[in-house]
Formats: sequence, structure tokens, C-alpha cells
Amino acid sequence: GESVGLHLPTLSVQEGDNSIINCAYSNSASDYFIWYKQESGKGPQFIIDIRSNMDKRQGQRVTVLLNKTVKHLSLQIAATQPGDSAVYFCAEGDFNKFYFGSGTKLNVKP
Amino acid sequence: NAGVMQNPRHLVRRRGQEARLRCSPMKGHSHVYWYRQLPEEGLKFMVYLQKENIIDESGMPKERFSAEFPKEGPSILRIQQVVRGDSAAYFCASSPPGPGELFFGEGSRLTVL
Repeated sequence: GESVGLHLPTLSVQEGDNSIINCAYSNSASDYFIWYKQESGKGPQFIIDIRSNMDKRQGQRVTVLLNKTVKHLSLQIAATQPGDSAVYFCAEGDFNKFYFGSGTKLNVKP
Repeated sequence: NAGVMQNPRHLVRRRGQEARLRCSPMKGHSHVYWYRQLPEEGLKFMVYLQKENIIDESGMPKERFSAEFPKEGPSILRIQQVVRGDSAAYFCASSPPGPGELFFGEGSRLTVL
């Protein structure tokens, strides 16, 4: 299968700071990308998605950036809160099949 | 509107026994996916099913693992003759027809003694 990897396995940020989580993907044919958040003992929760015909998409406190030239995806979280502490996964896919990276653990320090 | 329901949430089996994990997709969703997650790792795709059809099982081990999604009832992931290496969290996700996000259940955590 295709590989999706992350640059940083663990990220620690101060509460109130902005967080940036990065992801590299390998399949240039992927046309849909999703960021998921997984809290301990729970299933992944959808955060935000982006299609390959876009390079930026904003949600509430989150922004996803897509750079197809270097096959790089990032998730920006504004004003990080303690409730944002979790593992974040990027997933790349096409019509019906998604591959997940190994995840980045975000620790928010009070 | 209930989400994706998985049961059991926790399952303990001895080596050589069978494990059956069930998944009921969200209402209106006809696509079901199974993923496996080892501790501190990402989710590994196993199989993608639609009602009565296996669409893609490229992530399924060749032996001992099988999955089904019958016309009526939940999707079942079956692991025969479990070994310790099968210990993991198994997540089910569902989606409606067409491209879009996957909605995940809370997972079934299998422990093989």
C-alpha cells in the first residue's frame, strides 16, 4: 500500500500557542485528504478535509494546507487548548480507500 | 442518529480461539471499512465492504481473517485461531455512497492471552 508518514512523532506546545502538525504522503494520485483526531481509548474523529484541487481550507480554529508539489500536508491549530491533546492522523485516499500515517501526539502544556 | 456501533468493546481470547467483532454502520451508510491499530501506531487498512460484497481486501492477512457485510445485520470481522500478534484495536468505519469522510466507531480491543 501507499505510505503516509509524519515528520514529528510528538509535539509539545504551550496552551494558547499555535500548533502545526505535518504530514508527508507518497501517492501523487490521491485526491482527498483528511485530518483525524484520536483521544486515548477512542475512535478517530474527523477534523477537516481537503481535496486535491485546493491548497488551503479553514475550519473553526483549524487550517489545513496542501502542497501537492512536495506532497506535504499540514494541520494548523490556532490558540491550542488542553482539549486538543490527542494523536493526530493524516489520511490520504481516493474514492473509497484511505491510508493513514503513524500519527503525531500533541501535548498541550498548561 | 446513532454513530458507528462496534461490539464488543473489549474481547479476551486464548490462543487458538476465535474472535468475532461486529460493526453496525451509521444509518444510511452502505460502505464499511475495517482498520487495525497496534499501540502507538497508525491505522492499517484491512478491508472495504459493501452490502454482500467485498470490494477490497488487500489489507487482510491471507490466513485466519475474514470479513462479511450481509444484507441484513452488522458487518463481522472474524479471526480464527487467534495468536498473540492479533492483539490490537480493530476499528470499523462507515461512509455513505460516494467520496467523503469515514465515520469511525469506538473500536474493539482484542487481547489474546
